[in-house]
Amino acid sequence: AQKITQTQPGMFVQEKEAVTLDCTYDTSDQSYGLFWYKQPSSGEMIFLIYQGSYDEQNATEGRYSLNFQKARKSANLVISASQLGDSAMYFCAMRESISNFGNEKLTFGTGTRLTIIP
Amino acid sequence: EADIYQTPRYLVIGTGKKITLECSQTMGHDKMYWYQQDPGMELHLIHYSYGVNSTEKGDLSSESTVSRIRTEHFPLTLESARPSHTSQYLCASSVLAGGVQETQYFGPGTRLLVL
Repeated sequence: AQKITQTQPGMFVQEKEAVTLDCTYDTSDQSYGLFWYKQPSSGEMIFLIYQGSYDEQNATEGRYSLNFQKARKSANLVISASQLGDSAMYFCAMRESISNFGNEKLTFGTGTRLTIIP
Repeated sequence: EADIYQTPRYLVIGTGKKITLECSQTMGHDKMYWYQQDPGMELHLIHYSYGVNSTEKGDLSSESTVSRIRTEHFPLTLESARPSHTSQYLCASSVLAGGVQETQYFGPGTRLLVL
C-alpha cells in the first residue's frame, strides 16, 4: 500500500504567487517524521523542511512552511512568493524505522513537478 | 550544509562491466543509505548501513553490493552491469539532530547508463 501520496504530478504557478503542494500519508506509528525535498534538474536532493508528529506548531523555514493536519494525515508544503528558481521536482517523504540500530529509511511519494512561469 | 560526495556524476558503460559508485561524507555520520531513482519517479532504498562493517539490503531488490570499511566511505558495486541497471543512484547520510529529527542529507547522485 502506498504510504505517501502526492496527487499533483505537475503544477504551473505564476512567479511571486504562493503555491501549495499536497501530500497525504498513511502510518500506524505514533512517532513519525515528514520531510520535503526539492530535486532540481541537476538531480541532487535538497532538504527543505521537517515536521515531527509531536510538533504542535507547523514547521517554517524561510519561504517554506508545512501545513500539518495530523487528523487528516496531510503535510502540505507551502511556498510563499515563488521564484523562478523554485522550478523543480518536490518530494514528500516519511521516516520509518527499519532496524533495531536506529536506522531509518525515507519512503517517498511520486513527486510533483513545479514550474514557475515568469 | 551537508558535505556528501558522489563520483562519478555520470557514467556510460557497456554491458558486463564491473563498476563501483563512490560515496563519501565528511560529517562523521554513522548512518548511510543508497537509493535508486528512475527518471521522474520516487526514490527506493536499496542498501543501508548503521556503522562500520554493517550493511543491510533495503526494500528494492538490487544486484548491487555495498561495503562499509570506514565511517566516511560507502561504495556501491555492480559486478556485471546490465541495461536494467540504468538509473540514478543517490547516496545519503544522517545523524540524529536533537529530539527525534533525523535528517538524511543527499549527495549529488550518479546517473548510470548501461548500453
